[in-house]
Amino acid sequence: QVQLQESGPGLVKPSQTLSLTCTVSGGSISSGSYYWSWIRQPAEKGLEWIGRIYTSGSTNYNPSLKSRVTISVDTSKNQFSLRLTSVTAADTAVYYCARHRAETLSFDYWGQGTLVTVSS
Amino acid sequence: QSALTQPASVSGSPGQSITISCTGTSSDIGDYNYVSWYQHHPGKAPELMIYEVTNRPSGVSNRFSGSKSGNTASLTISGLQAEDEANYYCSSYSSNNSLPVVFGGGTKLTVL
Repeated sequence: QVQLQESGPGLVKPSQTLSLTCTVSGGSISSGSYYWSWIRQPAEKGLEWIGRIYTSGSTNYNPSLKSRVTISVDTSKNQFSLRLTSVTAADTAVYYCARHRAETLSFDYWGQGTLVTVSS
Repeated sequence: QSALTQPASVSGSPGQSITISCTGTSSDIGDYNYVSWYQHHPGKAPELMIYEVTNRPSGVSNRFSGSKSGNTASLTISGLQAEDEANYYCSSYSSNNSLPVVFGGGTKLTVL
């Protein structure tokens, strides 16, 4: 059974960089046809796709965040990471990592999510 | 504003059936059969309930079914149970190369 777990600071100051890591267990992050995605949900709002990295290392980002987002993968640790620069209060949200199956384009495994608050 | 449009809330009594709609465009739902539905109980990981419009992952109850007509996809839950009370989100592939994944705003299902 594949499991994903987000980790990282729960509080980030405005203008600083938000950094989160997703640890994948129960399967190799470099095998199969999967995208590894980050998704967020601000309070009382819907889900917003942030971006993804493919097993080949190629990335796609939400255009609204593209200038500030970097997603990377560390296959030796079976982890992938999110960096979001120049954060503001609008970036306060629950951040989820998820596995996106390339053949069905569905998110079949998710982490439980981690709340990141941007505040001084 | 979400790319896909869902009703904010729906409700039903135990044993009844409800349907949640998800409306997109010809760039996503209308032209592609890559619609998926997720159940989300607050504080827990979202769970995939339907993929490719109509398919259920192993372990998901057959009380959950999906369909599509034109630019609108639907999730139907039959024989409502208290445990079905949750938020439901639709998602679709989009041919917009800049934004290949779009979500709905979510629907809160209340079991009366």
